[in-house]
Amino acid sequence: DGGITQSPKYLFRKEGQNVTLSCEQNLNHDAMYWYRQDPGQGLRLIYYSQIVNDFQKGDIAEGYSVSREKKESFPLTVTSAQKNPTAFYLCASSSRGRTGWTGELFFGEGSRLTVL
Amino acid sequence: AQSVTQLDSHVSVSEGTPVLLRCNYSSSYSPSLFWYVQHPNKGLQLLLKYTSAATLVKGINGFEAEFKKSETSFHLTKPSAHMSDAAEYFCVVSVNTGNQFYFGTGTSLTVIP
Repeated sequence: DGGITQSPKYLFRKEGQNVTLSCEQNLNHDAMYWYRQDPGQGLRLIYYSQIVNDFQKGDIAEGYSVSREKKESFPLTVTSAQKNPTAFYLCASSSRGRTGWTGELFFGEGSRLTVL
Repeated sequence: AQSVTQLDSHVSVSEGTPVLLRCNYSSSYSPSLFWYVQHPNKGLQLLLKYTSAATLVKGINGFEAEFKKSETSFHLTKPSAHMSDAAEYFCVVSVNTGNQFYFGTGTSLTVIP
């Protein structure tokens, strides 16, 4: 079945440690996204990528980094510079619709990061 | 500029009664509009989408939404709520030009038995 796989589902980190969240898709989608979700705040965009080897900062990119070396993969690293990293992280992908970028987002199951 | 406003942060209904979740949007271009549902600790699942075809859109699990350009609204409805509908619902707008998606802050739906 086609879809988006995020791992790990739960992750605990000590302060000062970098952690990397994995996101893999087999939908052959060009665009991939990382969102952060906090209670009562909806989803906020961290980074997105529309093509391999290219990505753009979203609204809250500080303290995060990404890479897009393969079309299927878009890992997110939460660095020690992120002051409040405890959150639910969602990876998504989308494809072009018939007339452009109107295709919907497909989401993974999410990764919950807790800083101890 | 694009934005989405979900008018209710929490909605409670009794099982078997109608559901109405309200969404207003602002867009400089012809938008695509989506409703997603999220159960606890899960990803978001697409309920339905509007992409400039029919203004009344039918989705999964008996949900539907009507695009009203004059009111800039895209309210989600269901005739009869089921216990399994209890979840968080997000209204999302996208435009063709930028491939970016703008999320509302969500509406939490509680279904009372």
